[in-house]
Amino acid sequence: GNSVTQMEGPVTLSEEAFLTINCTYTATGYPSLFWYVQYPGEGLQLLLKATKADDKGSNKGFEATYRKETTSFHLEKGSVQVSDSAVYFCALSGSGGSYIPTFGRGTSLIVHP
Amino acid sequence: GAVVSQHPSRVICKSGTSVKIECRSLDFQATTMFWYRQFPKQSLMLMATSNEGSKATYEQGVEKDKFLINHASLTLSTLTVTSAHPEDSSFYICSARDRDRLAKNIQYFGAGTRLSVL
Repeated sequence: GNSVTQMEGPVTLSEEAFLTINCTYTATGYPSLFWYVQYPGEGLQLLLKATKADDKGSNKGFEATYRKETTSFHLEKGSVQVSDSAVYFCALSGSGGSYIPTFGRGTSLIVHP
Repeated sequence: GAVVSQHPSRVICKSGTSVKIECRSLDFQATTMFWYRQFPKQSLMLMATSNEGSKATYEQGVEKDKFLINHASLTLSTLTVTSAHPEDSSFYICSARDRDRLAKNIQYFGAGTRLSVL
């Protein structure tokens, strides 16, 4: 079956530091890949997505590239802000004809001033 | 952008009572909505897939008589937690797919409902 593995958190950084949150997946076919962000006490918001190999999704300074050869979709940001503190979920869907997403466990990011 | 409204955002109830949570797509039509449960510091667990005009499809281990789902229109799905008990306390999140943009394969999430059963 499908699965998404994320690095365990929390990830604690100082403001303006470089961020990487690793995500690898197992799936059949060619799924779409997503990063969602959840701020405290809120639901999930789509942060970015990529639908095919070598696609780069980007939004609000965050980027992730769909790497089929390594089955990865790592999230990066060059300079984090305190307001980026949240939980980040990697997800996939569209594998094997199913649109129901599979989520990773989430990675908590804490950014200190 | 597509907006999903979930209500209430927080509810506290006594053990044995039933609680209804609403999920509405405000500016699009959703033939399919999803209900998730999220435990503290954990990922989302899919409970059921709600299809407009038909019975919901429940995931293994989810009691359909406990968690009643109704998807009566293209913009509204409800989750009723019947005879709630403290172990049902959790964060419940709904999501919806835009009927007219299925190819984008994007889910739009509600803000979640924090249920606390005393």
